Formats: sequence, C-alpha cells, structure tokens
Amino acid sequence: ETGVTQSPTHLIKTRGQQVTLRCSSQSGHNTVSWYQQALGQGPQFIFQYYREEENGRGNFPPRFSGLQFPNYSSELNVNALELDDSALYLCASSRDRGYNEQFFGPGTRLTVL
Amino acid sequence: RKEVEQDPGPFNVPEGATVAFNCTYSNSASQSFFWYRQDCRKEPKLLMSVYSSGNEDGRFTAQLNRASQYISLLIRDSKLSDSATYLCVVKQGGKLIFGQGTELSVKP
Repeated sequence: ETGVTQSPTHLIKTRGQQVTLRCSSQSGHNTVSWYQQALGQGPQFIFQYYREEENGRGNFPPRFSGLQFPNYSSELNVNALELDDSALYLCASSRDRGYNEQFFGPGTRLTVL
Repeated sequence: RKEVEQDPGPFNVPEGATVAFNCTYSNSASQSFFWYRQDCRKEPKLLMSVYSSGNEDGRFTAQLNRASQYISLLIRDSKLSDSATYLCVVKQGGKLIFGQGTELSVKP
C-alpha cells in the first residue's frame, strides 16, 4: 500500500450540508493534492498544499477549501453541498511539490442526496 | 476540448492478445507523462512514466510523441489480471491532469 490514508471511507450527506474529509500523507512527504472523481470520469484536480500553503488550484468554486497541518496531513472542506458533488475524493501525497510521482490514498466516497 | 483525451472503450480482448491505448493532450507546455491503472472502486496507481525515447516494462511499452502531443500504451500477451481502467496522465506544474480512462476487460 501507499501509506496514504483517508477518512472516512464512505459518507452520505444531504444538499446544503457541509463536509470535511481527511488525509494523512505518506511519511516524509510535504505535498498533498486533492482530486474529485465522478463516476466514469478521470480524477480532476481540486488543489494542492505544500508546506501548509495552497500551491495551485483547479477549476472548483470557493466552497471547496482546504487546510494542511504542520504534520502535512490535510483536510478538504466542502460547503453548501450540491448533488453533483457526489464523487470519489482522492488525496495524493508526494515527497515535494516538484516530484513527479504522487501516491494516492483509497479515497472517500461521498454521496449527496 | 478536454485537456487529455482517451478512447473510453471498453476494450474486450481474449487472453494473450495485444492491445493498444492512445491518448492526446492539448497543452504543449505539459512537462511529464504517465499511465496510471485503476481497478474498480480503488485508487489510481502509477503503471509507468512515459518518455520520448519510449520505454518498456515487461509486457508494457509506452511511447510519447511531443510533436503530435500523443501518448500510447501497448500491452502484449494480456492477462486476466490486466483488466482495469487505464488512465493517461500529464503533469502541468504540480497538478496531474487525467484523461477519462480506457476500460480494458481481458476474457479467458
């Protein structure tokens, strides 16, 4: 396994609610990226955190926000949930922001009803 | 136009067949190129990086043509265990940009 863990594994929420997803990066990795994967699609980049600062953002609205902690673990927060937010949320850690290889966690499957 | 485009498949092939996946990307500033494999309801895993000189890893051969902005993956002597979705990926800055994936099903 990659050593990247995510919690929870599954989550069911209703429209308008807020959700927090968590990711622990692999030991020695200081960069965490978050991706959203809708059914039948490839993962889409949400944002990346490097040493507790946001280091790039994809085409997602501001209700998607994140944090990285001093131990390099990370959170993804989504406010005002919409039905289209139902997806697999993946986090990936890498040794440094310039490194090519990103190691993915098992993901959190979010269902919005 | 999507940044990374792949044939979604599915590709249904018998064991032992050779199968080829193709991918195009739109941004000529893309820096690095990969193939990832994703099993059903699991996370993507790096299969191999792709270089302009072409590279091989056992039964898998990857090729990059920067002029045509085209990436390929060839799987020879396919096994049942190769059944998965294959994702073409390009790196721009720190982010990975994924194609939608090509589903492969290898049958006995």
